[in-house]
Amino acid sequence: SQQGEEDPQALSIQEGENATMNCSYKTSINNLQWYRQNSGRGLVHLILIRSNEREKHSGRLRVTLDTSKKSSSLLITASRAADTASYFCATDHDSNYQLIWGAGTKLIIKP
Amino acid sequence: EAGVAQSPRYKIIEKRQSVAFWCNPISGHATLYWYQQILGQGPKLLIQFQNNGVVDDSQLPKDRFSAERLKGVDSTLKIQPAKLEDSAVYLCASSLRFGQETQYFGPGTRLLVL
Repeated sequence: SQQGEEDPQALSIQEGENATMNCSYKTSINNLQWYRQNSGRGLVHLILIRSNEREKHSGRLRVTLDTSKKSSSLLITASRAADTASYFCATDHDSNYQLIWGAGTKLIIKP
Repeated sequence: EAGVAQSPRYKIIEKRQSVAFWCNPISGHATLYWYQQILGQGPKLLIQFQNNGVVDDSQLPKDRFSAERLKGVDSTLKIQPAKLEDSAVYLCASSLRFGQETQYFGPGTRLLVL
């Protein structure tokens, strides 16, 4: 079963704008990760936020985590054409360090 | 550092045939995962290995799927016989050790069952 659900399913914005996508999950987690998938590079890890963290930054990426609402958001600032991809959240909620994945948000950056 | 290698990249077979996928993880990575990703969905874990032992295969359809990692390095996933609903991308991932959260993915094998 899928733990995370991303919202929106698809997002289309102009280059230079900010993109925000959300992830909700059902059970308590150890950490939450965001991955990007495009046809060129496959699935690539972007950022990990632990359950005791509220916000994390990496370059143009900003991730927040609200464990009381069981939700996370990924903000990409100053979007570029190369950011066009599907973005997945994955949650780790057991002792086997297995990830359970959402269905992803498809992001299209228009030039 | 070389990434996770998978082969073949594409495979087309007819239903009831068998198929095998190969994965070579990043050198030194102890944990290996096989995922199935159906179009429009996120990856679904099929099996997780720690070295050459199985950690979890609860979502592997064992009547038709099998996987092995005999020497704790590369791994093979087999489907026999294939069904139409097995059409998907099969992803292999590895992590350095059990408990290291970040997974590194190969390019995947795209399977089409006709």
